[in-house]
Amino acid sequence: NAGVMQNPRHLVRRRGQEARLRCSPMKGHSHVYWYRQLPEEGLKFMVYLQKENIIDESGMPKERFSAEFPKEGPSILRIQQVVRGDSAAYFCASSPPGQGVYNEQFFGPGTRLTVL
Amino acid sequence: DAKTTQPTSMDCAEGRAANLPCNHSTISGNEYVYWYRQIHSQGPQYIIHGLKNNETNEMASLIITEDRKSSTLILPHATLRDTAVYYCIVRVSDPNDMRFGAGTRLTVKP
Repeated sequence: NAGVMQNPRHLVRRRGQEARLRCSPMKGHSHVYWYRQLPEEGLKFMVYLQKENIIDESGMPKERFSAEFPKEGPSILRIQQVVRGDSAAYFCASSPPGQGVYNEQFFGPGTRLTVL
Repeated sequence: DAKTTQPTSMDCAEGRAANLPCNHSTISGNEYVYWYRQIHSQGPQYIIHGLKNNETNEMASLIITEDRKSSTLILPHATLRDTAVYYCIVRVSDPNDMRFGAGTRLTVKP
């Protein structure tokens, strides 16, 4: 059973370009979460999605950032008009459906975005 | 904001037990204590969680005080591969309630 997959692992963009980060959750998982980690800091929650629905986007910047989790295919975190401050590691996590205490999140290896 | 307080860093000798403390004095009755770790540049890895009873699994033990205001993660025989940042998180079962603080940077030394 493959774990959470993210691609690309490293992404370099120039200021003003768009960045697309992909996340394939573990098989059978229908909850996806995106986190951002700036250098030397802890992870910051960005958004929580279920299939075709955004459940909580309270951690997403109001502009330029968007996320989706379509019925088919991976979850996408999109950053438009990137700026140097967007340089960070972006982690995706997934968990199985249903509530309960055993819904620990399984994390992917992350995408490291560098904005030149 | 994270609801926990952890030391910034700790050292441990290889083969010895590593005891990582966490204060969560404002924890509420329905919040669990979770521990994750992040080995350099990798995604966080789940270690263990508990409510009020002590817990043990193949990776670690979790000791929670009777008043639940603090807990200790114990790695019984630390190895060099246990060098990582360890995060203590308190949360209810809501999936979107994972709030990471700065964690404790554990360095296991030979």
